[in-house]
Amino acid sequence: AQKITQTQPGMFVQEKEAVTLDCTYDTSDPSYGLFWYKQPSSGEMIFLIYQGSYDQQNATEGRYSLNFQKARKSANLVISASQLGDSAMYFCAMRKDTNAGKSTFGDGTTLTVKP
Amino acid sequence: DVKVTQSSRYLVKRTGEKVFLECVQDMDHENMFWYRQDPGLGLRLIYFSYDVKMKEKGDIPEGYSVSREKKERFSLILESASTNQTSMYLCASRPVGPGINQPQHFGDGTRLSIL
Repeated sequence: AQKITQTQPGMFVQEKEAVTLDCTYDTSDPSYGLFWYKQPSSGEMIFLIYQGSYDQQNATEGRYSLNFQKARKSANLVISASQLGDSAMYFCAMRKDTNAGKSTFGDGTTLTVKP
Repeated sequence: DVKVTQSSRYLVKRTGEKVFLECVQDMDHENMFWYRQDPGLGLRLIYFSYDVKMKEKGDIPEGYSVSREKKERFSLILESASTNQTSMYLCASRPVGPGINQPQHFGDGTRLSIL
């Protein structure tokens, strides 16, 4: 069975600083994908970044990067130059390599950016 | 842009009522999902569908059923609503293949209160 653990229920960061949100996962599947989503207070879930288990390089999307350490089974999200609009809940999710594969989500981390 | 539309943002019903939550996507995605989100519990999968008239139970299907008669529409049904089904419900869709890097696209959510 797959499991995602996000150990930080809440995090604070000063505006313009970088922040790392932790995500560890557990799976016995050799091929899987890791996703991060953002959920502002308005409720919609927004896809941020993806990392495949066989990708050699860490994924980056603008101010978001993924610190992928396969041997440690961690996929931490790094947000650089935090902005007030980054205040939201962030979810890490994993899906194994089948077309109808279900995703497993972590419990989420609430990030608050301070001015 | 993919659009996933949930029929209501807020809904209040009474215990014992039969409740229908509707979800429509406009991108011809094969896979559709229903989640419930509760504080501290992340997103939990109720049901998903990988094709018209096909459905599969998720992690917490008890007390729920689903219907997918057309590809674009996935309905969640609370057969006899109870107060412990008060929650945020999220619908999502995702295309099938190739690869596993396609994220889920979410609706805005329905905040359901059962009185």
